[in-house]
Amino acid sequence: GAVVSQHPSWVICKSGTSVKIECRSLDFQATTMFWYRQFPKQSLMLMATSNEGSKATYEQGVEKDKFLINHASLTLSTLTVTSAHPEDSSFYICSARGPGQGNSPLHFGNGTRLTVT
Amino acid sequence: GDSVTQMEGPVTLSEEAFLTINCTYTATGYPSLFWYVQYPGEGLQLLLKATKADDKGSNKGFEATYRKETTSFHLEKGSVQVSDSAVYFCALHNFNKFYFGSGTKLNVKP
Repeated sequence: GAVVSQHPSWVICKSGTSVKIECRSLDFQATTMFWYRQFPKQSLMLMATSNEGSKATYEQGVEKDKFLINHASLTLSTLTVTSAHPEDSSFYICSARGPGQGNSPLHFGNGTRLTVT
Repeated sequence: GDSVTQMEGPVTLSEEAFLTINCTYTATGYPSLFWYVQYPGEGLQLLLKATKADDKGSNKGFEATYRKETTSFHLEKGSVQVSDSAVYFCALHNFNKFYFGSGTKLNVKP
């Protein structure tokens, strides 16, 4: 089945630094990628939707200047948390869908645990 | 707007017990419904899906039936195993957006 690889699986960084998370579709072309944030014991919160070659669409309340999303190719999207603060510590999950997949399920990466000290 | 409501956990069962995790939804149109499972420290994996009313999704002994009359998609398994311990998410897809329930943690004791 379709595989989405997310890297790194965990990262610890100091407050004020930036962190980049990569999401790759390994065996299909991901025309659309979604970035979610998951707080402990809570559901997934959609942060943004990105389509290859165009700007990401951010959900209400998500700071686009803080969470930079790049979807420059059909197999790679990146999320950069800029000037990270402890409150940005969370579990970030990407998911992807290929062209013409309509209502088909999303394929998820294994997530990235970000801890900001 | 569209939304998904699922029972709060955690649900704790003994091995071989019967499992039901309730899920109801609110949506316009004709959404597709999914159950995802999340193991500790991992992303979500698709467990099963149903794309129209009365469809039954099934996988690994789990089943769920798309009930439009009750707007429900309850997850069931006849005999759970310790390896089924995880968090289960009910999800709805409509108009190119996914909506997730809050997740239900299942603990299965040997």
